[in-house]
Amino acid sequence: KAGVTQTPRYLIKTRGQQVTLSCSPISGHRSVSWYQQTPGQGLQFLFEYFSETQRNKGNFPGRFSGRQFSNSRSEMNVSTLELGDSALYLCASSLAKGLNNEQFFGPGTRLTVL
Amino acid sequence: GENVEQHPSTLSVQEGDSAVIKCTYSDSASNYFPWYKQELGKGPQLIIDIRSNVGEKKDQRIAVTLNKTAKHFSLHITETQPEDSAVYFCAASYKKPGGTSYGKLTFGQGTILTVHP
Repeated sequence: KAGVTQTPRYLIKTRGQQVTLSCSPISGHRSVSWYQQTPGQGLQFLFEYFSETQRNKGNFPGRFSGRQFSNSRSEMNVSTLELGDSALYLCASSLAKGLNNEQFFGPGTRLTVL
Repeated sequence: GENVEQHPSTLSVQEGDSAVIKCTYSDSASNYFPWYKQELGKGPQLIIDIRSNVGEKKDQRIAVTLNKTAKHFSLHITETQPEDSAVYFCAASYKKPGGTSYGKLTFGQGTILTVHP
C-alpha cells in the first residue's frame, strides 16, 4: 500500500506570493491533517479535514487555508507569504474509523520564502 | 490548550545501552499518546502509541509507559542500535467519546538520540 504522498517536495517563493501544497492520503484514509515544522516552534498543528469538512483548526492566521476533495486528497494554501512561513509542511492521514486513528505522515514539502 | 514538555533534548548512548525519553502533558483529558521517529529528510514515522486505558505497551525493543495521575509518559528503547539514531517526538491528543479522529496532535519539542557504535 502506498504511503502518504506530498507534492511538490521543494518550493521556493518570494514574499507576498501565494503557494498551494498537495497531499494524497493512504488509500481508504478519510482524515487529513496538516502540520508546520520549524526549528524554533517544532511541529505545530494547522488543521484537520474529514469528509471534506474542516474538523479542527490550530492557531495560525487566516492566510493559511485548506480544503479536502471527495477522494480525500487535500490541499493547503498560504497567501501573502512571509519570511517566517519558511518551514517543512507535513501532511498526515488517518483511517479515522473506530480505534484506527493513527496518523501517518508524508515526507513533507520544504517551503523556502525569500 | 494542551502543552507537552519533552526531555531530554539530546541523548547520547553507546550501542547496546537503553534510552529513555520522558514527556509530560498538561490536559488531563488527553487520551492518546503516540511516539514518532524522524530521520533526516523524512517525515515522522509512528513507532508506538498508547491509549489512556493502558499503562504500558511493548513492541520488541520499544516500550511506552503511561502514568495518568502524574500526566507523564515515557519511551524506552532497549539494546539500542546505530540505526535508532534519529529525532524522537512524543505527542498527545484527545478523542471525544464516539468521535472518529485523533486529529490535532500536540507535539513535544523532540529528542535527538545518537547511538554510538
